[in-house]
Amino acid sequence: GQQLNQSPQSMFIQEGEDVSMNCTSSSIFNTWLWYKQDPGEGPVLLIALYKAGELTSNGRLTAQFGITRKDSFLNISASIPSDVGIYFCAGQLVGTASKLTFGTGTRLQVTL
Amino acid sequence: DAGVIQSPRHEVTEMGQEVTLRCKPISGHDYLFWYRQTMMRGLELLIYFNNNVPIDDSGMPEDRFSAKMPNASFSTLKIQPSEPRDSAVYFCASSLALGQISAYEQYFGPGTRLTVT
Repeated sequence: GQQLNQSPQSMFIQEGEDVSMNCTSSSIFNTWLWYKQDPGEGPVLLIALYKAGELTSNGRLTAQFGITRKDSFLNISASIPSDVGIYFCAGQLVGTASKLTFGTGTRLQVTL
Repeated sequence: DAGVIQSPRHEVTEMGQEVTLRCKPISGHDYLFWYRQTMMRGLELLIYFNNNVPIDDSGMPEDRFSAKMPNASFSTLKIQPSEPRDSAVYFCASSLALGQISAYEQYFGPGTRLTVT
């Protein structure tokens, strides 16, 4: 099936550093979403993007809907220990109604 | 406002037993999704409903899996008979109807961790 390539797979950063991760596909998406999953919990929606080129922020998080509609980026500024978790991108593929395709996740670990 | 509610949170059962997972979506949401998450395969969509009607069950792995949504506030995912390879975390998610601005925003429950021995 359709896959979203998410990178990096994992990253170790120090507290206070900025973080960037991205999601790419060979297909066009109408909507991009970013989720965070903590251990033992369900994914929590962070940001939703609906237009190509759109840049949206949620606190220290900023996400962008790529101009080509085939990619999206998530940035976290001034990371803190509670940013630890797995970040998933998800996209609504053209022609798939309400279904979402999920990326493989980026595992973020923050050291003090 | 309550989020998506799932029960049980943990289930341990023996191979061959029937397992029933339960979900209550967010009130007012028209779509309900069942996912399975494993380390090997990530997050997989099993089936989804719109207004209590199953729309796409192409992700259901085998006939041993079945899902129902008898009303707008309740859904079940049943595995009968269960097998060790069914061990995973099962999530339920819900979203608003298409045509609304946030229609594609799916909200997940806390999941049910199923272990089949």
